[in-house]
Parts: sequence; structure tokens; C-alpha cells
Amino acid sequence: GDSVTQMEGPVTLSEEAFLTINCTYTATGYPSLFWYVQYPGEGLQLLLKATKADDKGSNKGFEATYRKETTSFHLEKGSVQVSDSAVYFCALKTGANNLFFGTGTRLTVIP
Amino acid sequence: SAVISQKPSRDICQRGTSLTIQCQVDSQVTMMFWYRQQPGQSLTLIATANQGSEATYESGFVIDKFPISRPNLTFSTLTVSNMSPEDSSIYLCSAGRDIEMNTEAFFGQGTRLTVV
Repeated sequence: GDSVTQMEGPVTLSEEAFLTINCTYTATGYPSLFWYVQYPGEGLQLLLKATKADDKGSNKGFEATYRKETTSFHLEKGSVQVSDSAVYFCALKTGANNLFFGTGTRLTVIP
Repeated sequence: SAVISQKPSRDICQRGTSLTIQCQVDSQVTMMFWYRQQPGQSLTLIATANQGSEATYESGFVIDKFPISRPNLTFSTLTVSNMSPEDSSIYLCSAGRDIEMNTEAFFGQGTRLTVV
């Protein structure tokens, strides 16, 4: 069945460090891929998405490229800020209804 | 985007009781869903809330335990019935504007339920 495997956390980085959160997926067909973020005390919100192979999603300095050959959608940011501290979820969607989520990765950025 | 209001935001309930969670969207949406996020785990879809008809439940979830209503395009409720400590989770309402695969879903802030 469809599933998402996400790098386990927690991840702690110093401000301005480089961030990578790994995400790989298993899906029948050609899914759309998403990264959601949950800031403390807030709901899940879409960070970026990619809907076909080789697409790159980007937002707020974060990027992720849809790699069909490696079934991956790793999240990267060149220089993290304290305000990026949150829980990040990788997700895929193969049909109209369901989003399949990874387990989430908690990122803490320290000054 | 769509703004989703969910209430209560948290509750502590006695085992054997039931809790109804409300979800209000600020605009008409096609799809509404309910998810559960157990401690330390990912989000799991409970069911799709269908307007004017019975919800569509995922494997492992049944209507008697999680009755869902959706009387119109902007409102839905989830009831957690006959609660036990194992039901302690965050419950999230989600909505989508259409059925296209590549469109995003919007989420409420969640209801943190503790059953004692």
C-alpha cells in the first residue's frame, strides 16, 4: 500500500545551519507529494508541494524535489532560523481523498 | 486558502463518556476529513465526511465508535463514543476545495483529547 517513511527526529540545529529532512515514499501510480509544517500551538499548514517527477516545490527558503528514480522528496533549507522550529510532515496523495503522512520530524533551531 | 475552526481545542474526559468535536470551515469545500494523531505517531485518516450521507470509514474505524455528521458544505462533527484511555489523541479536521489529486488540504488546529 501507499506509505511515507520520514527521517526520525528530533533534529536540533544551530541558527544558519543547513537542514535536510529525508522522506521516501511507496505508492502505486504517480502521487503528488507535500510537506506540511506545524508550528507550536498551530494547525498543520502546507509548506510546499510537487505534483510530478522532477518538480521542485519551494517556499520560505525551503525546497524539495520530486525524485521518481529514488522515490524521494527530501526537504532542505540552506540556513535555518529560530522561527523554523516546528514539526515537519511529509505526505503523499494518490487519489482524491486520502493524504498519507510520515511520522513527522521535530526541528529545534537554537540561537 | 480555507480557515478551519475546530472546537474544543482540548478536553479531559472520563472513560465511558462521549465527546463531540465540531469543525467549521469559512467557505464551502467539497471534501472534509477527520484524522487522528496518536502520541508520537503520524496522522491516520479516520473517515471522509460526506454531506447528507453516511461517512466513509477507513479500515479499523467504525461508525458506532466515531459517528460523523456533515449537514452542509461547511460544517462537520466527530463524536468519540464510549471513550477509553486508548482514545487519547489529537483529532484533526481537514478540508479540501475539490477532488483533484494535486490540491492541498487545509487543517484545523486539532482537538487534544485526554481520557482518564
